[in-house]
Amino acid sequence: KQEVTQIPAALSVPEGENLVLNCSFTDSAIYNLQWFRQDPGKGLTSLLLIQSSQREQTSGRLNASLDKSSGRSTLYIAASQPGDSATYLCAVTQGGSEKLVFGKGTKLTVNP
Amino acid sequence: DGGITQSPKYLFRKEGQNVTLSCEQNLNHDAMYWYRQDPGQGLRLIYYSQIVNDFQKGDIAEGYSVSREKKESFPLTVTSAQKNPTAFYLCASSINALGSSYNEQFFGPGTRLTVL
Repeated sequence: KQEVTQIPAALSVPEGENLVLNCSFTDSAIYNLQWFRQDPGKGLTSLLLIQSSQREQTSGRLNASLDKSSGRSTLYIAASQPGDSATYLCAVTQGGSEKLVFGKGTKLTVNP
Repeated sequence: DGGITQSPKYLFRKEGQNVTLSCEQNLNHDAMYWYRQDPGQGLRLIYYSQIVNDFQKGDIAEGYSVSREKKESFPLTVTSAQKNPTAFYLCASSINALGSSYNEQFFGPGTRLTVL
C-alpha cells in the first residue's frame, strides 16, 4: 500500500528565505506526483505536476523535483513571501490507478 | 470562467438525516472525485467516477452514495449510516486519460459539513 510522508509537519521562516519542503513515498510505481497549496478553509490549488518520466518542473519561484528510484520529491520555494503561507500537500498517482494518495501536508508560515 | 463549483459552502445536519453535497464542473473533464479531509489527516478518497453512469468506491465509501447522470455533475449523499460525517468535503476532476502520466486533478472550494 502506497504511503506518502511529508516532513516537516510545520515550518516557520523569515520573509526572503529560500526553503525546501520534502515528500517521500513508499512505492516507486507512480504515474505522476502533484504538489498542491491549501489556504485555511479553502480547496486545493494545483501548483506543479511532475510526470514519472520527468525530473523536475518549474513555475515562477517554485521548483519541484522527483527522484522515483529513491521515492522522494522536493518543493523548492525561492525568496519566500508572507503570501506563501499555507499548507502544502504532496500527492502521487499510483500506477494502474487514477487515484491520488496524499501526504498530510507541511504547514508553512512566512513571517514578515 | 471554467472551474469546479461546490455548494453549499457550509452545511449543517441533524443526526439521522441524509444530505446531498453538490459538485459541478465546466472543464469538460471525464473523471470526478470526492475526498474527505479531517484535521491532522491526509485527504481520503470516498468515490470516483471515470465516465458518466459509472463510479467506483474509494477507500472510505461506507455511509456515502453518489450518482453520475451527467458529465458535469457528481453529487455526494452523506447518509445516516455514516457514523462520523463532520468533515471538510472536496470534489475534484481530471481529464482522465486512463493510464496517462499527465492526469492533473483540479479541486473545488469544498463544503464543510457539521452534524449537530
